[in-house]
Amino acid sequence: GESVGLHLPTLSVQEGDNSIINCAYSNSASDYFIWYKQESGKGPQFIIDIRSNMDKRQGQRVTVLLNKTVKHLSLQIAATQPGDSAVYFCAESHSGTYKYIFGTGTRLKVLA
Amino acid sequence: GAVVSQHPSRVICKSGTSVKIECRSLDFQATTMFWYRQFPKQSLMLMATSNEGSKATYEQGVEKDKFLINHASLTLSTLTVTSAHPEDSSFYICSARREPYEQYFGPGTRLTVT
Repeated sequence: GESVGLHLPTLSVQEGDNSIINCAYSNSASDYFIWYKQESGKGPQFIIDIRSNMDKRQGQRVTVLLNKTVKHLSLQIAATQPGDSAVYFCAESHSGTYKYIFGTGTRLKVLA
Repeated sequence: GAVVSQHPSRVICKSGTSVKIECRSLDFQATTMFWYRQFPKQSLMLMATSNEGSKATYEQGVEKDKFLINHASLTLSTLTVTSAHPEDSSFYICSARREPYEQYFGPGTRLTVT
């Protein structure tokens, strides 16, 4: 069951503003990173990925930044919309195992 | 994108019984599938790696005799929760790896043990 005191950090953003969600990863050998969006009661939905030979990648309204020096990953969402409200997870992977290790997650709330 | 399905989407079972969850990759072949468990307001925790034609690899702390995994074909992996207890109630999610890196996730199965 749920651990006592455990909660997801929440980011509240006004509709139309930009959102930045941060993630610290643990393994310096990880070479593939992914952001997922999860709505309540559903499986994770792929947003964007980045390989370790890049430090920035852009998609439609989303940008992922990778800083390997400090093992930090961020997801930027432009012009945040109500439909963006969800929990966002980063995941790291290493090409040797292909396993994904997920971060703790951030709940994004979009305020009208 | 690739499609992964899970069945059932919800299941309620009595304590002490076993329940089987299926994970299918519908439009690609997956030699590797993964099983995750997610408790409320928590992240996905990898339980095991399911390899087609061979034994699953379990993460530390996951009881292999309790969570039986079978990956009998390139499109199907099953997770059987044996002798289920209320503490096994959780959201179980599978993913299928399409080479080389990408994993595609199923919609999840909500298990409630009464």
